Amino acid sequence: GQNIDQPTEMTATEGAIVQINCTYQTSGFNGLFWYQQHAGEAPTFLSYNVLDGLEEKGRFSSFLSRSKGYSYLLLKELQMKDSASYLCAVRDSNYQLIWGAGTKLIIKP
Amino acid sequence: ETGVTQTPRHLVMGMTNKKSLKCEQHLGHNAMYWYKQSAKKPLELMFVYNFKEQTENNSVPSRFSPECPNSSHLFLHLHTLQPEDSALYLCASSQVAGENTEAFFGQGTRLTVV
Repeated sequence: GQNIDQPTEMTATEGAIVQINCTYQTSGFNGLFWYQQHAGEAPTFLSYNVLDGLEEKGRFSSFLSRSKGYSYLLLKELQMKDSASYLCAVRDSNYQLIWGAGTKLIIKP
Repeated sequence: ETGVTQTPRHLVMGMTNKKSLKCEQHLGHNAMYWYKQSAKKPLELMFVYNFKEQTENNSVPSRFSPECPNSSHLFLHLHTLQPEDSALYLCASSQVAGENTEAFFGQGTRLTVV
């Protein structure tokens, strides 16, 4: 079966750095997405990786290793507003999006 | 106006009721989706419409009935639901289904079945 694993919950301190991991086993691979979802809000697109390596976007970076079936989202200079759930999703060989259950990130002052 | 708008935001319905969820997108996209989001579970894809044609129905019970009158509007008709159907129902759109473009989500309808 197809599976996306990410930690259920993480806690970090304001101003620090946090890395949220995502591992996947899917039938084929056509890209990996990260979304942010604040409580009661719509998921919003953060990043997309299809080739190995690091994609940087301001305070957020996303890394992909296709051979390891592994990605991480790196958040730097954490702010209280970064408290949210972070969803990892992989597009399989049929271009279906397979979703993880999300990682709830709690930022403490 | 936000890109994808869902109404209502909250809905409480009895098991014998009939209600409909509405989704509208203002992004000029051709694909629209219904997802179910339950606490601590992955998003579950329910239905996909591409250019107004239904292309996916992921074994969804018949008490959920989608309707896509045009590329900008999507409905989810609900009847005789069960308490386990209580969840957040998210609508999303993308340029075209089956391509590597990101999906844009609405804020969802929080459904409670009593």
